[in-house]
Amino acid sequence: KQEVTQIPAALSVPEGENLVLNCSFTDSAIYNLQWFRQDPGKGLTSLLLIQSSQREQTSGRLNASLDKSSGRSTLYIAASQPGDSATYLCAGLISSGSARQLTFGSGTQLTVLP
Amino acid sequence: DAGVIQSPRHEVTEMGQEVTLRCKPISGHDYLFWYRQTMMRGLELLIYFNNNVPIDDSGMPEDRFSAKMPNASFSTLKIQPSEPRDSAVYFCASSFSGLAGGHTGELFFGEGSRLTVL
Repeated sequence: KQEVTQIPAALSVPEGENLVLNCSFTDSAIYNLQWFRQDPGKGLTSLLLIQSSQREQTSGRLNASLDKSSGRSTLYIAASQPGDSATYLCAGLISSGSARQLTFGSGTQLTVLP
Repeated sequence: DAGVIQSPRHEVTEMGQEVTLRCKPISGHDYLFWYRQTMMRGLELLIYFNNNVPIDDSGMPEDRFSAKMPNASFSTLKIQPSEPRDSAVYFCASSFSGLAGGHTGELFFGEGSRLTVL
């Protein structure tokens, strides 16, 4: 069974710092990996989607990488801002029999201090 | 684009009552998912549909839970009878499979329905 782990569970950094959030998965046969942001009381907002054939994706100050062989993905946030404070979740899509299932990590709660 | 729309946003009910949660996926999306989020268990997939057909309902916790998708623009998740342990935020999400087929598309979530069962 696919397991997705995010460490640390919480992270606090000063404004302006570059930071990396980590995501690891046990099944290297993934179709894609997606990073989400969740603000308190809100739904999940898709940040970046990396297909299995890709190594990384970039959007503004965000860069996500995927290394299937090591079972790891990272989300890099450059020049962090207080508005980046949220919970960040990664999710890997894998086959489960004839179906495909998205397995979520438990998230990293990020606080960017002004 | 209006995004995935869920209703109600908040529901407070008493144990034993029927609860119906509603979802309108993004137009053109062919996959629809129902998730449940709690502090203890995180995000759990309950069921998902492809072209209105249920594909995997192994995450539905009990027979008290049922889901339908009568057409491409509407789905419901029903709990009957509801219990306090059903209290959670229920999310609906949709995606588009694209030309490659199968589900490899980006997932878009609604704002969720927060259910409290007293």
